[in-house]
This record gives sequence, C-alpha cells and structure tokens, in this order.
Amino acid sequence: GESVGLHLPTLSVQEGDNSIINCAYSNSASDYFIWYKQESGKGPQFIIDIRSNMDKRQGQRVTVLLNKTVKHLSLQIAATQPGDSAVYFCAEIKGGYQKVTFGTGTKLQVIP
Amino acid sequence: KAGVTQTPRYLIKTRGQQVTLSCSPISGHRSVSWYQQTPGQGLQFLFEYFSETQRNKGNFPGRFSGRQFSNSRSEMNVSTLELGDSALYLCASNEGAANTGELFFGEGSRLTVL
Repeated sequence: GESVGLHLPTLSVQEGDNSIINCAYSNSASDYFIWYKQESGKGPQFIIDIRSNMDKRQGQRVTVLLNKTVKHLSLQIAATQPGDSAVYFCAEIKGGYQKVTFGTGTKLQVIP
Repeated sequence: KAGVTQTPRYLIKTRGQQVTLSCSPISGHRSVSWYQQTPGQGLQFLFEYFSETQRNKGNFPGRFSGRQFSNSRSEMNVSTLELGDSALYLCASNEGAANTGELFFGEGSRLTVL
C-alpha cells in the first residue's frame, strides 16, 4: 500500500545549527510533496512544497530536497531557532484536488 | 484576512451521541477539507468539499458525514459516537485549484468521547 513515513520521531538540535528532517514515501505517482509545521495547540501550517518534477526548492531559511530515485524527501532548516520547535509533517498529493496524505510527523526540539 | 475558524474548540460527548462541528474558511476559499488527528493514526483525511459538492472522501465509516453551504462554510457530523472518535478534528481551506497542497488550517475542534 502507499504510505508516507518519517525516519526519526524526535530530533534535537542546538540553536543556530542546521536541522534536517527526512521523509520516505512509497508511491511515486504523487504530484506534489509538502512540508507542514504544527506548533502545540495549533493547526498545521504550510511551509514549502515541491512539484514531483523538481529536485530542490528553497524558501526563507528552508530548503526541500526530493530524491525520486530513492523516494526520499527532506526539509533543511538553516540556523534553527527556538521558534522552529514543532512537529513537522511531510505530505503528498496524488490523484487531484486537495486530498493530502500526511506522514506520521517528526518532533523538532531546539536546545537554547 | 481572517483565518479559518472552527467551532466549538472543545467538546465532550458520551458514546452513542452525535456531534456537529463547524468550519468557516478564509474569505474567497471555496475548498474545505476535514482531517482527523490522533496520536496513534496521525492526520487522516476525512473528506473535501468544493462548491457544495464532495469531491474527495477518505476511508472513514458512514457515521462521518459533511456538507458545505453556498457561502463555503462547512459542517461535519459524527453520529453514534465511539470512544475511538476522540480526536482533534481539523478543517482546512484552499482557493480550490487542483493539486496545490497549500492548505490553511484552523486550530481544530477537540472532541472527547466518554
């Protein structure tokens, strides 16, 4: 069956260091891959997305890398800040419209 | 612009009861999706509505239903509540274009079933 999963449930990083959150997916037919951030008590917040025909996309302090050969997605956060502490979800869209399949999530803890 | 608004934020029900949750999308957004979030299953897609029509449906039993009104506001209903229905129910809106994935979520309605 199809699935979107994460390698590490919890990631602790020192403030100022770079963070890398990884995600594996099993279905290569997805059109978009997306990263969401969910802070405690809030709904998920869109961070960045990448189309399936791209390898890399950069935003403000974030970079998403897509490796279709090994079906791997990663989110890199530069100069991690305490405000980056949250649960990060990778997600994918396949088959049209807004049916988004979410991964299980990785908790990022930033150590001051 | 106001964000996605969900009501109520918290509610407690007992087994066998039914519940209705409401979602007001961002102004101009025509697509509304509903998700169930639990510690064990994560975020799971329930259904998506666009222009009062259900476009997509997840793998939930028929006890879970929804609808969308002409002003894009949406409601979801869960009948004959079970303990396992305890969860955070999240609503998300989007302009409605296909395959963008950029959903704007509300803060959710936390349902506890006793």
